[in-house]
Amino acid sequence: DAKTTQPTSMDCAEGRAANLPCNHSTISGNEYVYWYRQIHSQGPQYIIHGLKNNETNEMASLIITEDRKSSTLILPHATLRDTAVYYCIVSVTSGNTPLVFGKGTRLSVIA
Amino acid sequence: NAGVMQNPRHLVRRRGQEARLRCSPMKGHSHVYWYRQLPEEGLKFMVYLQKENIIDESGMPKERFSAEFPKEGPSILRIQQVVRGDSAAYFCASSLQTSRTTNQETQYFGPGTRLLVL
Repeated sequence: DAKTTQPTSMDCAEGRAANLPCNHSTISGNEYVYWYRQIHSQGPQYIIHGLKNNETNEMASLIITEDRKSSTLILPHATLRDTAVYYCIVSVTSGNTPLVFGKGTRLSVIA
Repeated sequence: NAGVMQNPRHLVRRRGQEARLRCSPMKGHSHVYWYRQLPEEGLKFMVYLQKENIIDESGMPKERFSAEFPKEGPSILRIQQVVRGDSAAYFCASSLQTSRTTNQETQYFGPGTRLLVL
């Protein structure tokens, strides 16, 4: 079973920031937080990951709380093409391990 | 820099036939994972392979399914005697060799193969 909890769905107006929350209260010290998204029925697309510090790349920002029990993925200026299912996953990186996908959050960006 | 490649993208089989799904990992990646996504469901892990070795097959059905990742060539997921319940999207992901000094284990996914069993 997935170790994360996400809202089932969210809406966001085009051009506005999309903030997607994720709870992972049982996260272990050696587990990272990964975010992927799946647009329609395409393959999952890697977005970003982090351990305890906030991270930013060209796609998004990841804010992790100090106690690491929750995080927020931020898409700063959502576009219609960002409509997708977003998955928050915790995964150890001391080895190559399979990802456990939950149901994710279905983000709908509205014009 | 080509990403993970899968073929065919769509595959139609009749019940009882065999399905072979191929996955070529990203250049330099030696780890391959197969996931299955049933209609309206999330992705479920099936098997994890390195070159010539199966590392974890805990998600593979006990019968009819097999996987390999030979020294040369793509990884193959093989489904024998397909049934309608095998209809799904099958995704392959690849990652680099584990490194303790840098995090290189991010998995990158291919576009998937959509199998339809008639």
